[in-house]
Amino acid sequence: DAGVIQSPRHEVTEMGQEVTLRCKPISGHNSLFWYRQTMMRGLELLIYFNNNVPIDDSGMPEDRFSAKMPNASFSTLKIQPSEPRDSAVYFCASSLTGGAYGYTFGSGTRLTVV
Amino acid sequence: SQQGEEDPQALSIQEGENATMNCSYKTSINNLQWYRQNSGRGLVHLILIRSNEREKHSGRLRVTLDTSKKSSSLLITASRAADTASYFCALLQANSKLTFGKGITLSVRP
Repeated sequence: DAGVIQSPRHEVTEMGQEVTLRCKPISGHNSLFWYRQTMMRGLELLIYFNNNVPIDDSGMPEDRFSAKMPNASFSTLKIQPSEPRDSAVYFCASSLTGGAYGYTFGSGTRLTVV
Repeated sequence: SQQGEEDPQALSIQEGENATMNCSYKTSINNLQWYRQNSGRGLVHLILIRSNEREKHSGRLRVTLDTSKKSSSLLITASRAADTASYFCALLQANSKLTFGKGITLSVRP
């Protein structure tokens, strides 16, 4: 298995533009998580899905952020409109049974909003 | 706070020495996990210990858990330069949320 695959690896965009981050989880994993990592706030859980259904989105910072999981092999995190304070590394992770056996992380998307 | 707090924030040791990292927490947990992150990379799961376990080993790693003190420690024996990375303590709670601490920066000098 190629692991959790995220794209793009790097994204530079102008303030106000829409940004879409993509994630392909490990086949067979039924839970998917989006995290954001910054120096100031560390790793923050944004949202997680179980069997493609959003379970907890309380970490999503505001309405500009949305996430979808249309099927078991694909998820997106969208920011519209983007702001400079959204600059961070966004990680996707997947696991079996809600994380009871550990998560597998992707390599992350480094987002820079100028 | 629902996340663990690692201690120390930074650790520098000589290759071959042991590295001990600690994590304290305040909430109830299902399990506690340790992850490693190399610079510019994603997190890698190292080891997991359940709330009813006290000690686990995996290769050069040894993790302990004291639920009465709400603390855990990760020991890396015979450290190598390749162990240089950030190490994170993560708590899995009953709501299936895995929350991470701020991390420990480990430098192993060759």
